[in-house]
Amino acid sequence: GIQVEQSPPDLILQEGANSTLRCNFSDSVNNLQWFHQNPWGQLINLFYIPSGTKQNGRLSATTVATERYSLLYISSSQTTDSGVYFCAVVQRTGANSKLTFGKGITLSVRP
Amino acid sequence: DAGVTQSPTHLIKTRGQQVTLRCSPISGHKSVSWYQQVLGQGPQFIFQYYEKEERGRGNFPDRFSARQFPNYSSELNVNALLLGDSALYLCASSLVQGGTEAFFGQGTRLTVV
Repeated sequence: GIQVEQSPPDLILQEGANSTLRCNFSDSVNNLQWFHQNPWGQLINLFYIPSGTKQNGRLSATTVATERYSLLYISSSQTTDSGVYFCAVVQRTGANSKLTFGKGITLSVRP
Repeated sequence: DAGVTQSPTHLIKTRGQQVTLRCSPISGHKSVSWYQQVLGQGPQFIFQYYEKEERGRGNFPDRFSARQFPNYSSELNVNALLLGDSALYLCASSLVQGGTEAFFGQGTRLTVV
């Protein structure tokens, strides 16, 4: 099956700093999503971005499907950005549309 | 509009017991998927249902089963619970099958003692 690798595994930032989170995947995809998991466990949708670039406030994402990677940018980070960020993909050649997740990136933003 | 709703939010069961978790998708969504997330890992795919038929199954034992009802809600059943079944169980809803955007519920946290 498809492999999803996220880096770095952990990230510590001072409030106000910028960061880039990376997601590499091993095969062509139909779907790529970025999620933020809150302390209560809910996965919050950040971006649905199988290709191209999108922006939402301080967050933006870029997926280069031909090179099999996606980047999530967080600018002017706030303490509320802390948590675990997941990248998840749906393999194009898969028999179903299951999401395959990376192991996540734990972000800590310090005041 | 209501998002994906799951019940119960927390559950404590004893080894060997059976459990049923429930999920209501976003109105108009016809695909429901179930995921298991153990501490420190990403969610792992268990089942996908679309139009009331099973369309995919992950690498989980036969103790795990699910179904989807005519109103597109879904139940996940786990029999003969083991300590290792303790996890956060997440339900995802999407409009159709085939890679459209998925939305998750708040999860059911199952503890097996």
